[in-house]
Amino acid sequence: QKEVEQNSGPLSVPEGAIASLNCTYSDRGSQSFFWYRQYSGKSPELIMSIYSNGDKEDGRFTAQLNKASQYVSLLIRDSQPSDSATYLCAVPSGTYKYIFGTGTRLKVLA
Amino acid sequence: DGGITQSPKYLFRKEGQNVTLSCEQNLNHDAMYWYRQDPGQGLRLIYYSQIVNDFQKGDIAEGYSVSREKKESFPLTVTSAQKNPTAFYLCASSIDGFSYYGYTFGSGTRLTVV
Repeated sequence: QKEVEQNSGPLSVPEGAIASLNCTYSDRGSQSFFWYRQYSGKSPELIMSIYSNGDKEDGRFTAQLNKASQYVSLLIRDSQPSDSATYLCAVPSGTYKYIFGTGTRLKVLA
Repeated sequence: DGGITQSPKYLFRKEGQNVTLSCEQNLNHDAMYWYRQDPGQGLRLIYYSQIVNDFQKGDIAEGYSVSREKKESFPLTVTSAQKNPTAFYLCASSIDGFSYYGYTFGSGTRLTVV
């Protein structure tokens, strides 16, 4: 059974700090990875994708991928209260679908 | 604006009743998906469709049925055989089914058994 694991949290960080969210996966063949943000009561929203080892930056967000260690991370710099949400990691399962982690709840304290 | 529309936003089902959740997209995406989300759990795949007139069971298809007669539409029926249907249902689409692109999600339907 292919798995994606995330710490459920909550992860609490002060406003302006860096939030670090981690995700590990079991399928070594996975090629593309995604981070979604889900506000309470709302649907997930795609915020980052990463396909190659290393870092990918987009504004205050940085995704990090290490295929050898089978983990993908999301860093949020200068965290804001509006970043408070659940962050879901998604990994492809086969060709046509994804497995989602249970998500990490982030709380940014003003 | 392109997007995915799910309706209704809230739905109440009586015991023994079938209900249908609507999902329509105008993104010209080939692939569409239905996920179920329960509190404290990840998204679980119910059904997915890569092309019109074709669909596949996901991990928790029992008690559900779908159709894909049009590219834009992928309705989900929750039948009376689904014994614990109370959940948040999410429809999603992607450009194609090759897992290289992320999903666009609809706003969801919250189903409650009364």
